[in-house]
Amino acid sequence: DQQVKQNSPSLSVQEGRISILNCDYTNSMFDYFLWYKKYPAEGPTFLISISSIKDKNEDGRFTVFLNKSAKHLSLHIVPSQPGDSAVYFCAASDKGTYKYIFGTGTRLKVLA
Amino acid sequence: DTAVSQTPKYLVTQMGNDKSIKCEQNLGHDTMYWYKQDSKKFLKIMFSYNNKELIINETVPNRFSPKSPDKAHLNLHINSLELGDSAVYFCASSQGPSSPDTQYFGPGTRLTVL
Repeated sequence: DQQVKQNSPSLSVQEGRISILNCDYTNSMFDYFLWYKKYPAEGPTFLISISSIKDKNEDGRFTVFLNKSAKHLSLHIVPSQPGDSAVYFCAASDKGTYKYIFGTGTRLKVLA
Repeated sequence: DTAVSQTPKYLVTQMGNDKSIKCEQNLGHDTMYWYKQDSKKFLKIMFSYNNKELIINETVPNRFSPKSPDKAHLNLHINSLELGDSAVYFCASSQGPSSPDTQYFGPGTRLTVL
């Protein structure tokens, strides 16, 4: 039972445009959400997070939006750069379990 | 300086062998984790230790045994390796065990069982 889903395995975007990566979850107990970025042959690196008490968090070119009623979050990257090409994982947790549940990732390719 | 390091980076071995993967973090964190990323790219928690105490033990075959000699190290020993154990294993650490602590990942160990 996959509690965190990233339904788009890949996405291609032109440099300078907006990249939108989506993530859906099923567990209403999740109260903290994160996005990680992963380059080949490296471990995931933390990008941005959001608590369930917020609906938006912004850090430079990266913004995460949370829609609790739809159990949906998205990561916006504006403007997209070729260096953003990587696999992006969303993850969710609830305080009671100590566990982070990861999605299967979306491979973003930013075309120059 | 590498924050979370793993050795080896690649491990190729025969079925039935026993192998270990080592992990060290120099971030001063209390909590460490092992994740498995399988062929479907699903990143799944296996174990977590907080201050050398096991706090997460997912449904993992008991051929897998984690060991935490101190807060900075979490090793993974695998007995009687099987073909299905082939995967990338990631170690991670965080300041504490609960959200909203961010986890920092090592570079991964690609295990291939022949």
